[in-house]
Amino acid sequence: DQQVKQNSPSLSVQEGRISILNCDYTNSMFDYFLWYKKYPAEGPTFLISISSIKDKNEDGRFTVFLNKSAKHLSLHIVPSQPGDSAVYFCAASTNTNAGKSTFGDGTTLTVKP
Amino acid sequence: DGGITQSPKYLFRKEGQNVTLSCEQNLNHDAMYWYRQDPGQGLRLIYYSQIVNDFQKGDIAEGYSVSREKKESFPLTVTSAQKNPTAFYLCASSLRTPGSGYNEQFFGPGTRLTVL
Repeated sequence: DQQVKQNSPSLSVQEGRISILNCDYTNSMFDYFLWYKKYPAEGPTFLISISSIKDKNEDGRFTVFLNKSAKHLSLHIVPSQPGDSAVYFCAASTNTNAGKSTFGDGTTLTVKP
Repeated sequence: DGGITQSPKYLFRKEGQNVTLSCEQNLNHDAMYWYRQDPGQGLRLIYYSQIVNDFQKGDIAEGYSVSREKKESFPLTVTSAQKNPTAFYLCASSLRTPGSGYNEQFFGPGTRLTVL
């Protein structure tokens, strides 16, 4: 049973437009959510996170939205840039074991110039 | 210049041989993790350690072993019991502050293991 799901394996957007990456989870105990970005043959790097006490967190061009009732979160990138082309992983963790995260399968974002 | 190093970047092994992947961090993090990534899939947790001399199995620990004798080091041994060891292996570390909130993980560059 996959507890964190990213249902879109890939997403293609035009440079300058908005990219929206989605993530769903099933475990109601998850209360911290993180997004990581990964380039080929490299390790993921942390991008942005959100606690369950918030519904939005913003950092520059990146905004994460959390809908707890729907068990859904999304990452918005505005405006999208070609350098944003990468695999984006959603991850979730619980406060009782902070640091140990469950990852989704990732969404490959391609931003076309 | 703090970070996580993994060596080697590429590793080839004959079927039936054990092999050890290195992971070192100088971030003074208590917690360390090993993940496996297969094509088109996410990161699956193999083992993790929250403190020296202690570690726990993750979701796919069978065929793997670890040790945590030093805070900075968390080597992973892929044993001959692992049926499908060809994969991309990632090591990560994080601060350990139970009950105080999230801690993002810092990842190494990964080791690609190929079994011939």
